[in-house]
Amino acid sequence: GAVVSQHPSWVICKSGTSVKIECRSLDFQATTMFWYRQFPKQSLMLMATSNEGSKATYEQGVEKDKFLINHASLTLSTLTVTSAHPEDSSFYICSAETGPGTDTQYFGPGTRLTVL
Amino acid sequence: AQSVTQLGSHVSVSEGALVLLRCNYSSSVPPYLFWYVQYPNQGLQLLLKYTTGATLVKGINGFEAEFKKSETSFHLTKPSAHMSDAAEYFCAVSEGGFKTIFGAGTRLFVKA
Repeated sequence: GAVVSQHPSWVICKSGTSVKIECRSLDFQATTMFWYRQFPKQSLMLMATSNEGSKATYEQGVEKDKFLINHASLTLSTLTVTSAHPEDSSFYICSAETGPGTDTQYFGPGTRLTVL
Repeated sequence: AQSVTQLGSHVSVSEGALVLLRCNYSSSVPPYLFWYVQYPNQGLQLLLKYTTGATLVKGINGFEAEFKKSETSFHLTKPSAHMSDAAEYFCAVSEGGFKTIFGAGTRLFVKA
């Protein structure tokens, strides 16, 4: 089946620093990847849709300068949380579609970010 | 715009009992509907999906769901709960495979 990995699985950083999270599709090429944020005991909130080779499309209310998304290849998308603050602490999950216009997303295992 | 409502943030059943997790949706076009399961500190795993065709959809781990257009529902069921079914379950809807909206989730507890 389609496998998506994320790295790191958890990260602790100091306030004001930047953190990069990687999302990789291991056995397929993903033209579209999605980044979600999940607060404790809550649902997933879509942050942005990332298409290979183009700029990400951010959801309303998501700061594009704070959450930098790069989708440089068909198997890798990165999310960089810049100048992180404690309120950015959350569980970040990526997903990928197996092909253009397909209807199923495959999810990574998530990255827990804690900002001190 | 589409939306998803999951009735009941927590559901508790005994091992061997019927599992019923409720999901209602709204969509301006024929929807694609999904159920995902999430175990603690993990990503989401697709249980089953409905796009077109047969309205009763069978998924992994013995789960199934029925698309009822007249009731705008897509409830998830399993005849006999197992301890390993304890997890968070999310219903989701998308319109034609575009942006997916997730419900708030239902935590399933299974009692021995």
